[in-house]
Amino acid sequence: GQQLNQSPQSMFIQEGEDVSMNCTSSSIFNTWLWYKQEPGEGPVLLIALYKAGELTSNGRLTAQFGITRKDSFLNISASIPSDVGIYFCAGRGPEYSGGGADGLTFGKGTHLIIQP
Amino acid sequence: NAGVTQTPKFRVLKTGQSMTLLCAQDMNHEYMYWYRQDPGMGLRLIHYSVGEGTTAKGEVPDGYNVSRLKKQNFLLGLESAAPSQTSVYFCASSYSKGGNQPQHFGDGTRLSIL
Repeated sequence: GQQLNQSPQSMFIQEGEDVSMNCTSSSIFNTWLWYKQEPGEGPVLLIALYKAGELTSNGRLTAQFGITRKDSFLNISASIPSDVGIYFCAGRGPEYSGGGADGLTFGKGTHLIIQP
Repeated sequence: NAGVTQTPKFRVLKTGQSMTLLCAQDMNHEYMYWYRQDPGMGLRLIHYSVGEGTTAKGEVPDGYNVSRLKKQNFLLGLESAAPSQTSVYFCASSYSKGGNQPQHFGDGTRLSIL
């Protein structure tokens, strides 16, 4: 099956710093999704990317669909305390490539911890 | 504006007991999914359904059964609970397969098996 490598596993940063995390895949994806999960809640969709090279923003968040279709990046600018949580990438491969009902494979998450 | 609702939110079981987790969505989504989330493992797909009356196995289906008798509901059953099934279970739904339809998640069910 498809493998997703998400890094870093955790980040300890100061409030106000910029954050960068990424996911790489062993195979190509047609869609990249970025989710955030806060304690006691389910993942919430932040950004969806549908084309190679696409760059999409959602407030202070910016994500990019890599040109090779095997990676994606999420950046958070000027971090604030409410950015704390676990960020998951998820990729959807070409149809019938496996990974579940719609080929969606999840990374293991990046834990973001912000020190005041 | 409920979205995806999971019940119960918490449950403690003894080894060998059975239980059913309920997932309900009010978005008229065709696809529904059950995941488990364990520390360091991310989200792993247990079973999924592409429509009313149909179910299929995901990545880690052993020890679980599911049913989709109504479009809006997706049930996850544990016939004989084992400590290895201690986890947080998430239900998700999406409008259709492929295309560009992201999955929407519930808030999870925290299950402990003693």
